[in-house]
Amino acid sequence: EPEVTQTPSHQVTQMGQEVILRCVPISNHLYFYWYRQILGQKVEFLVSFYNNEISEKSEIFDDQFSVERPDGSNFTLKIRSTKLEDSAMYFCASSRDSYSYEQYFGPGTRLTVT
Amino acid sequence: AQTVTQSQPEMSVQEAETVTLSCTYDTSENNYYLFWYKQPPSRQMILVIRQEAYKQQNATENRFSVNFQKAAKSFSLKISDSQLGDTAMYFCARLSGAGSYQLTFGKGTKLSVIP
Repeated sequence: EPEVTQTPSHQVTQMGQEVILRCVPISNHLYFYWYRQILGQKVEFLVSFYNNEISEKSEIFDDQFSVERPDGSNFTLKIRSTKLEDSAMYFCASSRDSYSYEQYFGPGTRLTVT
Repeated sequence: AQTVTQSQPEMSVQEAETVTLSCTYDTSENNYYLFWYKQPPSRQMILVIRQEAYKQQNATENRFSVNFQKAAKSFSLKISDSQLGDTAMYFCARLSGAGSYQLTFGKGTKLSVIP
């Protein structure tokens, strides 16, 4: 069964550094998402992406964040200058189309900012 | 903010028994979608079951079923014949039907199935 994959599984970075988290959504899916989960807290929506542009974003998704679909398979989340409070589990998800509301999640990338 | 509330941070159940996880939500919409996701210790979230708000019939997927009470804004998950593999965090989530694809999650319930 097709799955969403994410790399790396764990990323450690220093405060102020840029990080890029990578995701490969399910191949015939058209909608892509990033969520994050700070340890012990709720899973929070960051951004959704469709047709090569952002369709929704939350208050968390400020100018330090950006998303890109650089080719036909990858979907990336970039954090320009990481802060300690960016430490979290970042989940990528995808869904097939606007009629299918089921989002399929990847295994996550644990980002640790030191 | 429209919220999803799971009032049971942790629960346990004996293997082969039945357990019910609670979820309530807040919404001003008439059409929306509700989900239960399971997150095993390996941490990948898996969709367990979904319910469309316009459907009166409760969704069922094998041993998993929901009790959807629209007026009460309640969406509980029942797991029958619990198995050790059901040990996981369970998240209730809501998706607006008004053109938004943003899932709003509850804090989760940690379920332990005891042999």
